[in-house]
Amino acid sequence: NAGVTQTPKFQVLKTGQSMTLQCAQDMNHNSMYWYRQDPGMGLRLIYYSASEGTTDKGEVPNGYNVSRLNKREFSLRLESAAPSQTSVYFCASSEGNRQPQHFGDGTRLSIL
Amino acid sequence: GQQLNQSPQSMFIQEGEDVSMNCTSSSIFNTWLWYKQDPGEGPVLLIALYKAGELTSNGRLTAQFGITRKDSFLNISASIPSDVGIYFCMNSGGYQKVTFGTGTKLQVIP
Repeated sequence: NAGVTQTPKFQVLKTGQSMTLQCAQDMNHNSMYWYRQDPGMGLRLIYYSASEGTTDKGEVPNGYNVSRLNKREFSLRLESAAPSQTSVYFCASSEGNRQPQHFGDGTRLSIL
Repeated sequence: GQQLNQSPQSMFIQEGEDVSMNCTSSSIFNTWLWYKQDPGEGPVLLIALYKAGELTSNGRLTAQFGITRKDSFLNISASIPSDVGIYFCMNSGGYQKVTFGTGTKLQVIP
């Protein structure tokens, strides 16, 4: 019973490098989300996908792109990493709008 | 982004004691969710509430949806060491209207 699986768990990048964070869910959920969590800031929504084939910006989308590869998978890409993107990134999924979200264990990303 | 007011911010309690925390909002919501986050892990859903006045239990945890629809309470009875973590509330007025509580850090002294 995996739920939401994120890879990698840890990553260190140099400024300017690119990287894709992977997320997969096995709950047949329609909606998926990417958040970042910073000390004292709580969770902030980066992008979400209401359903397969759609993606929309959240509160802090700048510097990120996403792909909803299929119903199970939702990836987050940093094209040119910046130190301000050092954070813990969480993927989540839900059955639909306003439904409880289920989170992965996060990717801890450091950009030097 | 907007955050829900959650109190207390932190608590130190003796093992076996009961715990109570709450979240308040200036807006009305149709759903209140409570999560726990352990260090180095993702948030785990504890209880979901969908109706004003609803009282729902999950083991030693009990949560209530306030009748004004602007607040919610989480109680933990007979605390144990594994209850340590950060508890936060969440609600969603839509995909781009997700708001989170500021979190309550719980420490349990054996």
